[in-house]
Amino acid sequence: EVQLVESGGGLVKPGGSLRLSCAASGITFSYAWMSWVRQAPGKGLEWVGRIKSKSDGGTTDYGAPVKGRFTISRDDSKNTLYLQMNSLKIEDTAVYYCTTDNYYMDVWGKGTTVTVSS
Amino acid sequence: SYVLTQPPSVSVAPGKTARITCGGNNIGSNSVHWYQQKPGQAPVLVIYYDSDRPSGIPERFSGSNSGNTATLTISRVEAGDEADYYCQVWDSISDHYVFGTGTKVTVL
Repeated sequence: EVQLVESGGGLVKPGGSLRLSCAASGITFSYAWMSWVRQAPGKGLEWVGRIKSKSDGGTTDYGAPVKGRFTISRDDSKNTLYLQMNSLKIEDTAVYYCTTDNYYMDVWGKGTTVTVSS
Repeated sequence: SYVLTQPPSVSVAPGKTARITCGGNNIGSNSVHWYQQKPGQAPVLVIYYDSDRPSGIPERFSGSNSGNTATLTISRVEAGDEADYYCQVWDSISDHYVFGTGTKVTVL
């Protein structure tokens, strides 16, 4: 069974940084494309960004609201996905989900909550 | 950027059929995927590539896509189908993913 477990969420001040992790099991992680999706309180789903497998170039893409501030990376030796979030804004407050990515998101973690507030 | 529009809410009686639309410019030329999200839970994929169902998803869930509208159909609606539903596509021009605005399905 594929499992994704996010961690690293918490309370951070505007302008601060936070790094989220997503531990994967039950899949050949090195071959997987992975995405982050977020959901602000009471709002809909918003795609944050994606990282392809190293065999497919390992490239990253980001949604416009986070481009230049967020960085997705992966450690295939640890089966772990990361989301480095810098220059955080109040509007980044959300539940952040890690997902597998096949142009659709077939497996989701339970999410980790990030709150940006002074 | 590509925009997907869904009705904010759909109400349906138990045993009846719910249809949730997802509108987008020439969406029929894209593959559409659908997610169900119950309160306090992560989304679950219910339809991918317009009309395919992942294992474990009841046959009551079906999808179609043509022209400017994709549709998720839930037949013989049950109380447990009450949830938010989101459509999603891959925008090949931007190489980004786009989610619809979401539809809250209420079972009367």
